[in-house]
Amino acid sequence: QKEVEQDPGPLSVPEGAIVSLNCTYSNSAFQYFMWYRQYSRKGPELLMYTYSSGNKEDGRFTAQVDKSSKYISLFIRDSQPSDSATYLCAMSALGSGYSTLTFGKGTMLLVSP
Amino acid sequence: DSGVTQTPKHLITATGQRVTLRCSPRSGDLSVYWYQQSLDQGLQFLIQYYNGEERAKGNILERFSAQQFPDLHSELNLSSLELGDSALYFCASSTTPGTYEQYFGPGTRLTVT
Repeated sequence: QKEVEQDPGPLSVPEGAIVSLNCTYSNSAFQYFMWYRQYSRKGPELLMYTYSSGNKEDGRFTAQVDKSSKYISLFIRDSQPSDSATYLCAMSALGSGYSTLTFGKGTMLLVSP
Repeated sequence: DSGVTQTPKHLITATGQRVTLRCSPRSGDLSVYWYQQSLDQGLQFLIQYYNGEERAKGNILERFSAQQFPDLHSELNLSSLELGDSALYFCASSTTPGTYEQYFGPGTRLTVT
């Protein structure tokens, strides 16, 4: 079993839809949870991060963490064609002075106009 | 644009050869990370350097090595290349070694024929 599982998609939605992207993990030591967005032929860029169970909002994006279920989600409201990208969840068990990230394989999102 | 630069953008080489990938971190960032992204394995952490010293190691093969120079740029050396080493190699940087907030470069696409 991989430490982080993520459905590869693709997930196709019409413009304006609410999108739900999810990851599950098995390592209880993970404390920090991040979502990265990766456009085709580009490097990943950090979208959101959180370290506590519950919700965190940033504009159209909401990150949700349920540590008891080892499950994290990213919700995108009013999705736009420009949101079409691969979304990678990442997790970290921060140690003293290092920060290795464990990534999911990514979910490809396609938002059609 | 994250501010992290990587050269070259593309590299095509033959099995058994050796290549060097170069990364310049964002201005002011002391920590550099190397990742490998392939279709079957996803994005995997290889190695981290902080201010010239190795800080953490991930799934890096013995045929691969890296270093960070006094001017903070980093190089990833891949030797005895195999077909399976074909992948995207990303460099990321951060201000401190113990942070999840990593900024990724555009990557180097390595093709081994």
